[in-house]
Amino acid sequence: DVKVTQSSRYLVKRTGEKVFLECVQDMDHENMFWYRQDPGLGLRLIYFSYDVKMKEKGDIPEGYSVSREKKERFSLILESASTNQTSMYLCASRRQGLLVVKLFFGSGTQLSVL
Amino acid sequence: QQQVKQSPQSLIVQKGGIPIINCAYENTAFDYFPWYQQFPGKGPALLIAIRPDVSEKKEGRFTISFNKSAKQFSLHIMDSQPGDSATYFCAASQDKAAGNKLTFGGGTRVLVKP
Repeated sequence: DVKVTQSSRYLVKRTGEKVFLECVQDMDHENMFWYRQDPGLGLRLIYFSYDVKMKEKGDIPEGYSVSREKKERFSLILESASTNQTSMYLCASRRQGLLVVKLFFGSGTQLSVL
Repeated sequence: QQQVKQSPQSLIVQKGGIPIINCAYENTAFDYFPWYQQFPGKGPALLIAIRPDVSEKKEGRFTISFNKSAKQFSLHIMDSQPGDSATYFCAASQDKAAGNKLTFGGGTRVLVKP
């Protein structure tokens, strides 16, 4: 089974801090995604990456950046954390393919910004 | 603006009941409609999916009904069990669009009482 591992389950940071959320997948998937999950809003796409060093903005990229230097690792960066970025962050990966859309998710990182 | 609207936000049923979750979409170019199931402390996992060339799909106790003209689809959980208690997300995507990104609904928390 595909394993998508997120480095932290819970994280507490202060306003203005630079925050790194790390995600690693072990199935050589080309595509990787970062979502945030908020009650009533479902999952909203922040950034995604088709392959190494490639990135595309999702629906809510403001305040975030990403890095994909290796195929298995996709990092989400909050340059200056704010309280409205308190949320559950989910990483996902997927094999590249026209008709393949099954996403494999990590267990999430609950980030609190105080 | 949510492109996929999901209702209700929460649902409580007795064991053996049939919870029904509804989703409506706006983009007629969507051509893939999955449902994801999320247990507490876990990431979402693909449950069942349908394409618009069929009106119904069953996998075990889970059934998707699809109404292309109304741009609606729904999930039925037959003979529901306490182990089905989870949050369910509908989603939609365009296979041939760049990235075939999934757009998720807001989620429905289902509680099945013993």
